Amino acid sequence: GQQVMQIPQYQHVQEGEDFTTYCNSSTTLSNIQWYKQRPGGHPVFLIQLVKSGEVKKQKRLTFQFGEAKKNSSLHITATQTTDVGTYFCAGHGYGQNFVFGPGTRLSVLP
Amino acid sequence: KAGVTQTPRYLIKTRGQQVTLSCSPISGHRSVSWYQQTPGQGLQFLFEYFSETQRNKGNFPGRFSGRQFSNSRSEMNVSTLELGDSALYLCASSSSGTGGETQYFGPGTRLLVL
Repeated sequence: GQQVMQIPQYQHVQEGEDFTTYCNSSTTLSNIQWYKQRPGGHPVFLIQLVKSGEVKKQKRLTFQFGEAKKNSSLHITATQTTDVGTYFCAGHGYGQNFVFGPGTRLSVLP
Repeated sequence: KAGVTQTPRYLIKTRGQQVTLSCSPISGHRSVSWYQQTPGQGLQFLFEYFSETQRNKGNFPGRFSGRQFSNSRSEMNVSTLELGDSALYLCASSSSGTGGETQYFGPGTRLLVL
C-alpha cells in the first residue's frame, strides 16, 4: 500500500534559523496537504498542493510539490518560537485515502 | 461556524471494557474520518463515513467499529479494550471527503486503557 515518509523525525533549531522537512511517498499523489500540530493540540490544516512542481508561500513558510508528485517539502525561514510543533504531510493517492507521514517535530530554542 | 467537537475529551478504561467516542462535524460537512494517534505509530486512519455509510476503512481489527447518523454525527466504538488501544482518537470532517479536501480535526479524545 501507499507509504508516506518524512525526514527528519526531530529537528532542534535556534530561533532565527531556517528549517526544512521533507515528505516522500511510495506512489504518485493526486495532491498533498500539510498540517501543523502544536503540543497538546490537534492537527490544523496549513496548505494543499495539487500541481506538479507547485510552490506556495505563506509568510515565512514555503511549500513545494515535486515534479513527479511523489515528494514535497516545507521550509520555514527565520523560525520563531511560535513555529514549535509537529508538521505532518498527508498524501492523497489516486482513488485512495489520505496517508499521513509520521511527522517532523520541531523545537525552537529562544 | 462551530468547529469539530468530540466527546468525551478524556477517558480512562480497563482492559476488556468497551468504549464509545462521539464526533460532531462542522455544520454542512457530510464526511467524517477517524484517526488513531500514538507516539510510535503517528496518525493511523481508522475509517471514513459519508452519508451514514462506511466508505473507507483502514487496517484495524474488527474491535474498532463506527457509525454515522443522519445528522452526520459519528460514533466509534472499541470493544474488548487492550492496553495498546491507549491513544488520542481524532475525528476530522470535510464537506464531501473527495478529491483531497481539507480535513478539519476535532480536539480529540484521549483514551487511557489500564
